[in-house]
Amino acid sequence: GENVEQHPSTLSVQEGDSAVIKCTYSDSASNYFPWYKQELGKRPQLIIDIRSNVGEKKDQRIAVTLNKTAKHFSLHITETQPEDSAVYFCAASRKYRLAFGKGNQVVVIP
Amino acid sequence: NAGVMQNPRHLVRRRGQEARLRCSPMKGHSHVYWYRQLPEEGLKFMVYLQKENIIDESGMPKERFSAEFPKEGPSILRIQQVVRGDSAAYFCASSPPQASNNYGYTFGSGTRLTVV
Repeated sequence: GENVEQHPSTLSVQEGDSAVIKCTYSDSASNYFPWYKQELGKRPQLIIDIRSNVGEKKDQRIAVTLNKTAKHFSLHITETQPEDSAVYFCAASRKYRLAFGKGNQVVVIP
Repeated sequence: NAGVMQNPRHLVRRRGQEARLRCSPMKGHSHVYWYRQLPEEGLKFMVYLQKENIIDESGMPKERFSAEFPKEGPSILRIQQVVRGDSAAYFCASSPPQASNNYGYTFGSGTRLTVV
């Protein structure tokens, strides 16, 4: 089955700086890559997604890039704010079944 | 349009008891997916159901776990004879039939099961 890995496990950034989280996947047939944000004790919330026919997608301060050849994709958060502090999960799928990474704790330091 | 509703939010069970977790999909959605999140881990797929049908239960342990989605009423995830290792957050998501593949699922608020 699909295996998704995330790096780094914890990321601390100064407020206003950028944060980048990288994920790799193993199944070359995967064609859908969502990112979820989860605050402590809450549900994972979809923040952005990308499909394999697209290399990059942007939504305000967040963007996702996909490199199908290398089988990795990244989340970019610019101008970080304290409310960006959370755990971020990447996932990959080719049908209905999402395979999640273990998550990255992002801490934005005011 | 209410989102995916799960109840209870918190459930405490003693070892050996049964846990029943309920998930009501969004209106118009007939597909339900259950995921489990162990502490400090990502979500793991458990089971995919349509009304009155189990489509894929390959992520669910063979023993003690069962799931159903009846014609009427919510989807139920049942865990019999719970053990400490079952302590986790259980999340449910739903989708309409035409979007079951590669769909940006919205998860419910989850049920946090604690086995004591």
